[in-house]
Amino acid sequence: ETGVTQSPTHLIKTRGQQVTLRCSSQSGHNTVSWYQQALGQGPQFIFQYYREEENGRGNFPPRFSGLQFPNYSSELNVNALELDDSALYLCASSLEAGRQETQYFGPGTRLLVL
Amino acid sequence: GDSVTQMEGPVTLSEEACLTINCTYTATGYPSLFWYVQYPGEGLQLLLKATKADDKGSNKGFEATYRKETTSFHLEKGSVQVSDSAVYFCALSDVMFSGGYNKLIFGAGTRLAVHP
Repeated sequence: ETGVTQSPTHLIKTRGQQVTLRCSSQSGHNTVSWYQQALGQGPQFIFQYYREEENGRGNFPPRFSGLQFPNYSSELNVNALELDDSALYLCASSLEAGRQETQYFGPGTRLLVL
Repeated sequence: GDSVTQMEGPVTLSEEACLTINCTYTATGYPSLFWYVQYPGEGLQLLLKATKADDKGSNKGFEATYRKETTSFHLEKGSVQVSDSAVYFCALSDVMFSGGYNKLIFGAGTRLAVHP
């Protein structure tokens, strides 16, 4: 069974640029959630995708957007990057949404905005 | 809203010492509770979970009991090893019935350093 994978592992961008991060969910999982983890803090929920639709969102501005594909893999897009967007971005997959399913995390993408 | 509070670190222990990391939560419903571990430079790994009051989660010698009366989910281990050095996160699963989604709410994390 393949776990959650993310790409790239590291990324450096400059302020104002746009970035796309990718996530492949664990086999059999149809729900993907994205989290932002700033240095020294716990992860913060960005949004969740279930069967290709965004079904929940945390307190993040619209320049954070996403997609989920028919194979349940997902992308996180961030436009107009700011210095404070520098963080570890974590993707998690689960069997279903709307239930207290366990979320399994990938290794993360570390983004540095200069 | 729902929240998780865990003890501040770092916690520094000698090998074979006993570990307790305190975690308390505030929730309006009946969340599931989790402990995740993060090793340096890596993502989060699920350590253990409990889905209802009085459940005990356990894994790799770690255990935690879901205490509804004290809204707590403290992590314990009887004898720590150097390899247990990591950051530990307590989390609750908040089910949003209005949107049909669930999100994890994390504590700030507790860094554990175990010395030989």
